[in-house]
Amino acid sequence: QKEVEQNSGPLSVPEGAIASLNCTYSDRGSQSFFWYRQYSGKSPELIMFIYSNGDKEDGRFTAQLNKASQYVSLLIRDSQPSDSATYLCAVSDYKLSFGAGTTVTVRA
Amino acid sequence: EAGVTQFPSHSVIEKGQTVTLRCDPISGHDNLYWYRRVMGKEIKFLLHFVKESKQDESGMPNNRFLAERTGGTYSTLKVQPAELEDSGVYFCASSQVLGAGYYGYTFGSGTRLTVV
Repeated sequence: QKEVEQNSGPLSVPEGAIASLNCTYSDRGSQSFFWYRQYSGKSPELIMFIYSNGDKEDGRFTAQLNKASQYVSLLIRDSQPSDSATYLCAVSDYKLSFGAGTTVTVRA
Repeated sequence: EAGVTQFPSHSVIEKGQTVTLRCDPISGHDNLYWYRRVMGKEIKFLLHFVKESKQDESGMPNNRFLAERTGGTYSTLKVQPAELEDSGVYFCASSQVLGAGYYGYTFGSGTRLTVV
């Protein structure tokens, strides 16, 4: 399985700020990239997927992919307390390889 | 549409006992996956079914783990005999397309297994 590394965190941001999450992966041939959000004791929930270089925006979330640098990021704009969770980066051929996750806390 | 259902949600067993976890995928999803998260570690792939066939079981830790998917519907994951290091959260996921494709998986809520 591919190695996926995330900034370890925890990351604490004030409400309304931008939370920036980073992820690198080792397999240059990886094609699909995902960000999952996991609340404590709950299942991972898919929030973004990206497979082309560049940015992809969905509401307050923006995923960025740079295949040359083997780098994926997630920006959360206007962070809300409800965004407090662990964010998992995952890379896929057909099975997912996950990073260890970054725990985000949004301070009200 | 019902999601991926797993039960039990929690199980506490003694070392040496047997436990069977069950996963009901989303109806019509031929692909079913088992993953596991051990405390402090990342979520790891265990195995993948396509219908009733095991497509990839490269992540199964050892022969104490046995997965089945009779009739290509629900799946069971049996641990026999359970060891302390088997403790963790076992997730099931399903998808229509082979692998994650561009759409990702739908995960069940997981079974938290504690071996004491």
